[in-house]
Amino acid sequence: DAGVIQSPRHEVTEMGQEVTLRCKLISGHNSLFWYRQTMMRGLELLIYFNNNVPIDDSGMPEDRFSAKMPNASFSTLKIQPSEPRDSAVYFCASSSTGTGAYYYGYTFGSGTRLTVV
Amino acid sequence: ILNVEQSPQSLHVQEGDSTNFTCSFPSSNFYALHWYRWETAKSPEALFVMTLNGDEKKKGRISATLNTKEGYSYLYIKGSQPEDSATYLCAFRSENQGGKLIFGQGTELSVKP
Repeated sequence: DAGVIQSPRHEVTEMGQEVTLRCKLISGHNSLFWYRQTMMRGLELLIYFNNNVPIDDSGMPEDRFSAKMPNASFSTLKIQPSEPRDSAVYFCASSSTGTGAYYYGYTFGSGTRLTVV
Repeated sequence: ILNVEQSPQSLHVQEGDSTNFTCSFPSSNFYALHWYRWETAKSPEALFVMTLNGDEKKKGRISATLNTKEGYSYLYIKGSQPEDSATYLCAFRSENQGGKLIFGQGTELSVKP
């Protein structure tokens, strides 16, 4: 398995532009989490999905942010319009919501470093 | 609000030193406690998932203990090596919040040769 795959690895964009980040889950995982890493706040959860359904989006900063999971293996995080304060590393992670011996926690993607100028 | 606190924030040790750091988390509705190792410019890598009070886990020179009654976990590194330099994150999963993990701010470990 190739692990959790994020694209692009780096994105530099101008303020006001739309940005789309992509994430492919590990096959068989049914939960997907989007995190943002900043110096000030560390890793903060933006939104998570179980079985393609958004469960908790309370961490999404504002309406400029939206996330979708069109199928069981793929998710997008969109920022429109982007602002300089959105500059951060965005991680997605996937997990199986099995319990006991089948619960292994998260596997993280390699992140997308977003810079908005 | 669920709070996960880690201490110290950063630690500088010499090669060969043994070290430990602390993660404190809510003692109610406990489901699991995770430890991750996060090297600069990489993604967090799972070290341990701990679910039972009194659990002890070991991976090479790194081990962890768990006390769910009082809400803390310790991570130990025996004989630190420069390649252990990384940020160590703990994350708490509550019983009633689905698969959501709440991360601490991490302990940044630097091991000098």
